[in-house]
Amino acid sequence: SYELTQPPSVSVSPGQTARITCSREKLGDLYVCWYQQKPGQSPVLVIYQDTKRPSGIPERFSGSNSGNTATLTISGTQAMDEADYYCQAWDSNTGLFGGGTKLTVL
Amino acid sequence: QVQLVESGGGVVQPGRSLRLSCAASGFTFNNYGLHWVRQAPGKGLEWVAVISYDGSNKFYADSVKGRFTISRDKSKNTLYLQMNSLTAEDTAVYYCAKDLSLYNSGSYRPDYWGQGTLVTVSS
Repeated sequence: SYELTQPPSVSVSPGQTARITCSREKLGDLYVCWYQQKPGQSPVLVIYQDTKRPSGIPERFSGSNSGNTATLTISGTQAMDEADYYCQAWDSNTGLFGGGTKLTVL
Repeated sequence: QVQLVESGGGVVQPGRSLRLSCAASGFTFNNYGLHWVRQAPGKGLEWVAVISYDGSNKFYADSVKGRFTISRDKSKNTLYLQMNSLTAEDTAVYYCAKDLSLYNSGSYRPDYWGQGTLVTVSS
């Protein structure tokens, strides 16, 4: 089981906004990262410290974290954004990952 | 650019040992913590272990504590994972990842990842 809870799947139409959630009690007290993983590839960091984008990550990726839920938002979703997305946090000297969300762009 | 190249994976029998290596380049090795993260076939990511930039702090997932040991060699810019008493549940692709923060000794988060090496535990 995973200590961070994500929906297994999210579907979105091209050009629409996709929202992927990550939940845990008092998650807002921790910093959350988000990773994108495409089939056969290694994960890529797309959001860190809840809201920050690494260099080279498109502006359509954004993040938020408050209360018990962190959210990855992809605005104007493109076909190339179809992938698995994982949230991550650090707590009590342990790394935590969510179970992953498969984003389908229909 | 940051490069992390894992090696040492393969097929190993239950109960046996294996050592993974990760050769790092493209950043100042001594300034960053390093992680091992694994992914069982068709499953999600599981954090395994992290070592601080200076090797003074090491943290492990409960699932590997007492069996796996993380270490680093600054003379070779290489990260290691010694895996003992392996079971079928350890079968996974093992990724090496650099930590996000400079001189971090608190909250750890991977940023750059290697391509992974597959470990299969089977008789």
